[in-house]
Amino acid sequence: SAVISQKPSRDICQRGTSLTIQCQVDSQVTMMFWYRQQPGQSLTLIATANQGSEATYESGFVIDKFPISRPNLTFSTLTVSNMSPEDSSIYLCSVGLAGDSNTGELFFGEGSRLTVL
Amino acid sequence: KQEVTQIPAALSVPEGENLVLNCSFTDSAIYNLQWFRQDPGKGLTSLLLIQSSQREQTSGRLNASLDKSSGRSTLYIAASQPGDSATYLCAVDYKLSFGAGTTVTVRA
Repeated sequence: SAVISQKPSRDICQRGTSLTIQCQVDSQVTMMFWYRQQPGQSLTLIATANQGSEATYESGFVIDKFPISRPNLTFSTLTVSNMSPEDSSIYLCSVGLAGDSNTGELFFGEGSRLTVL
Repeated sequence: KQEVTQIPAALSVPEGENLVLNCSFTDSAIYNLQWFRQDPGKGLTSLLLIQSSQREQTSGRLNASLDKSSGRSTLYIAASQPGDSATYLCAVDYKLSFGAGTTVTVRA
């Protein structure tokens, strides 16, 4: 398994500001993902964080709103930009340990709970 | 697009009863299916991963079955305990199309 640390664990933010969430993994991983879980909802994939290249975004998510960095194989950041109350969610980092294989088990961090006022 | 459905949405049972949680998916061309547990306000804990070539996986009191042809997976939890109270999520493939979850309450 993998130990995944996310910071901050929670934050309260003002409308119009931006917040960066950090994800640190205790081992080198190829596959790293960012998810959003809105209140009372299930998880939705935001993007795949690619090491050394631009993130791959899912439909409905754009780089200007959710810029992602992946400087190395153990670390990634997700920024939520120009926040509005609709961005109030839990944001989760996830990693896969099977290299580039899509058959591997995925593990999640504890999540970062953002409340936007 | 893969659609994942979990039934029931909520379940309340007395301690000691066996739990049966259902997950269905629309596209049977999957690589794997994973079951997770989520406690309130927390991240996800992986419970079981079933590869598409497997029919079931077991871990302790947990057993998950997979029937790809019918697009179904079932998670069985034997002899439930109050500590099993949580939301259980199933997810398909490495990009993980998630179901909405089944919230389980085990009454002492």
